[in-house]
Amino acid sequence: DAAVTQKPRYLIKMKGQEAEMKCIPEKGHTAVFWYQQKQSKELKFLIYFQNQQPLDQIDMVKERFSAVCPSSSLCSLGIRTCEAEDSALYLCSSSQPGTEDAEQFFGPGTRLTVL
Amino acid sequence: GDSVTQTEGQVALSEEDFLTIHCNYSASGYPALFWYVQYPGEGPQFLFRASRDKEKGSSRGFEATYDKGTTSFHLRKASVQESDSAVYYCALSSSGSWQLIFGSGTQLTVMP
Repeated sequence: DAAVTQKPRYLIKMKGQEAEMKCIPEKGHTAVFWYQQKQSKELKFLIYFQNQQPLDQIDMVKERFSAVCPSSSLCSLGIRTCEAEDSALYLCSSSQPGTEDAEQFFGPGTRLTVL
Repeated sequence: GDSVTQTEGQVALSEEDFLTIHCNYSASGYPALFWYVQYPGEGPQFLFRASRDKEKGSSRGFEATYDKGTTSFHLRKASVQESDSAVYYCALSSSGSWQLIFGSGTQLTVMP
C-alpha cells in the first residue's frame, strides 16, 4: 500500500548534537509538510514544501532547523543543535497537487528524545 | 491568528453509546474543516472534510456538519465501538494556506 515513510522511527541525541530525520512522501504527491507533536498533544506546523520548494515555515525552523527536499521522493528535517525542548514526535505528511483542502497523508513519525 | 478549540480532552463511553466531540474554530472567510484520527504509534489519519457552510462530511459512521453561524464542526457517531478508541483531532486550513491548524485533540476511550 502507498504510504508516507519516515526514518528512523526513534532517535536519541544528547543536548547540543545534530539530528536528522527523513521522509519519503507518497508517490505523485507534490506537497510535503512537517509537524511537531509533543506528549501526544496538538500538532504544530513547522514547514511546507511544494514541488520541493519551501513555501511557508515558522520562525523556529528558520532559526534552528534545516529542511530540504532534494528530490520529489525524499525530504529531510534536521536540527542543528538539539535542545531538551525539541523532544517530540516529528510527523511528515504529503498531499496531492490541487487545492489547499486536499487530504494530507501522514507517516508514523520519528520520535526524537534529547537527553 | 486562526485557531481550533476542542473542549473535551477526554471522553469515556460504553459500546453503542452516542458520541459528540465539540469543535469550534476561529478564522476569517471559509476555511476548510477536517477531522483526523490518531491511533497509538501511528500518524493521524484523515476521516473527512467539509469546505462550505452546511456541508456534511462523513466516514466510517462518523459525521460532522460545517456551521459558519456557530463556527463549529462537531463530530458525532450514533453508536461507538471499542475499536473507535483513539485520539480525534479537529483541524482547519485557511483560505490560501496549505498548512493544517489542529485542535488539542480528544482522547476517546470506549469500554466493552
